[in-house]
Amino acid sequence: EVQLVESGGGLVQPGGSLRLSCAASGFIFSNYWMSWVRQAPGKGLEWVANIKGDGSEIYYVYSVKGRFTISRDNPKNSVYLQMDSLRAEDTAVYYCARDGTSLDYWGQGTLVSVSS
Amino acid sequence: SYELTQPPSVSVSPGQTASITCSGDKLGDKYVCWYQQRPGQSPVLVIYQNNKRPSGIPERFSASNSGNTATLTISGTQAMDEADYYCQTWDNKVFGGGTELTVL
Repeated sequence: EVQLVESGGGLVQPGGSLRLSCAASGFIFSNYWMSWVRQAPGKGLEWVANIKGDGSEIYYVYSVKGRFTISRDNPKNSVYLQMDSLRAEDTAVYYCARDGTSLDYWGQGTLVSVSS
Repeated sequence: SYELTQPPSVSVSPGQTASITCSGDKLGDKYVCWYQQRPGQSPVLVIYQNNKRPSGIPERFSASNSGNTATLTISGTQAMDEADYYCQTWDNKVFGGGTELTVL
């Protein structure tokens, strides 16, 4: 059974940093791209970033380029999202998702709140 | 930047057919996915590559994509289908704004 479990969310001040983690199980992790998707309170879904199975390709949505860094540790079956220079508009539930022909499995999400 | 437009809300009576549209420039040239998100839950994939259903998704969910419009169709809509639905283009990962489906 595919499982994705996010962690690391919390309350952070504007300009601060946070590192999200996503632990994967139930599939050959290194064979898949992985994505982060966020959802601001009461709003729609926004794709944030993804990373190829071997880490050789990475893409970001324009609004987080230069502030967020996606990475992965295949032996640990984990993908990460390092978020720096956080802004109020980054407040959202952050989901990790397996990225194959679609985002076919999603985690339960972790809430990031950016506020002073 | 590329944009996908969905109606904010659609209403349907139980047992009837619901259609949710997603429009974008030359959308028919792209692969489209559809996701269902019930209140308080994570999104669930219901359609990928325009019209394919993942295992476990009921046959009443179908979809098409042509021209500038993709359409998700739910036949024999049930109360459990009440949710937000999002389209997404696969190449650039853009999501539509979402459609709230009400079954009443």
